[in-house]
Amino acid sequence: AQTVTQSQPEMSVQEAETVTLSCTYDTSENNYYLFWYKQPPSRQMILVIRQEAYKQQNATENRFSVNFQKAAKSFSLKISDSQLGDTAMYFCAFMKHAQGGSEKLVFGKGTKLTVNP
Amino acid sequence: DTEVTQTPKHLVMGMTNKKSLKCEQHMGHRAMYWYKQKAKKPPELMFVYSYEKLSINESVPSRFSPECPNSSLLNLHLHALQPEDSALYLCASSKDTSGRILPLQYFGPGTRLTVT
Repeated sequence: AQTVTQSQPEMSVQEAETVTLSCTYDTSENNYYLFWYKQPPSRQMILVIRQEAYKQQNATENRFSVNFQKAAKSFSLKISDSQLGDTAMYFCAFMKHAQGGSEKLVFGKGTKLTVNP
Repeated sequence: DTEVTQTPKHLVMGMTNKKSLKCEQHMGHRAMYWYKQKAKKPPELMFVYSYEKLSINESVPSRFSPECPNSSLLNLHLHALQPEDSALYLCASSKDTSGRILPLQYFGPGTRLTVT
């Protein structure tokens, strides 16, 4: 079974600064996907960024980037130029590759990020 | 249109009631999911439907009964629930990629259920 660990229950950052959220995972699979989801107080789960395990290049989406270390099974999220709207719970998630594509997401426990003005 | 809609937004029901949650998407996705999320916890998968057939049931109690009447609609029928079933119920959908490309799951806003 796959497990996802987020070791930082809560973090805070000043507006415009950079913050990194940690995520490690455990799997025996070689082909899988990793995601960061954001869940603001409105409770809507929003996809922030994704990474295919077979890709060595780290994914980036505007102010969001990841540091994917496959051998270390680490998948951290860096948020640059933090904005007040980034305040949310952030979940790291794992999905193994499957033919049909309809596989379960395994989530970490989440990191509550607060961006302070 | 990348929207998954869920109704109702809030639901309060007694332990003897029967109610249903509804989820709808018009993105042509052929996989749909139900997740349960307790406060301050991550979502936990309950069911997966692929091409309108139940493909994953995560040992969910029978008081939760999923139904997928067509490719756009997913229901969750509730009966004789317990107070501990109070949670946010999230629906998601994804395109069937047959493993060729990354299967993104799009989430709805959820139904907040309270069982009294």
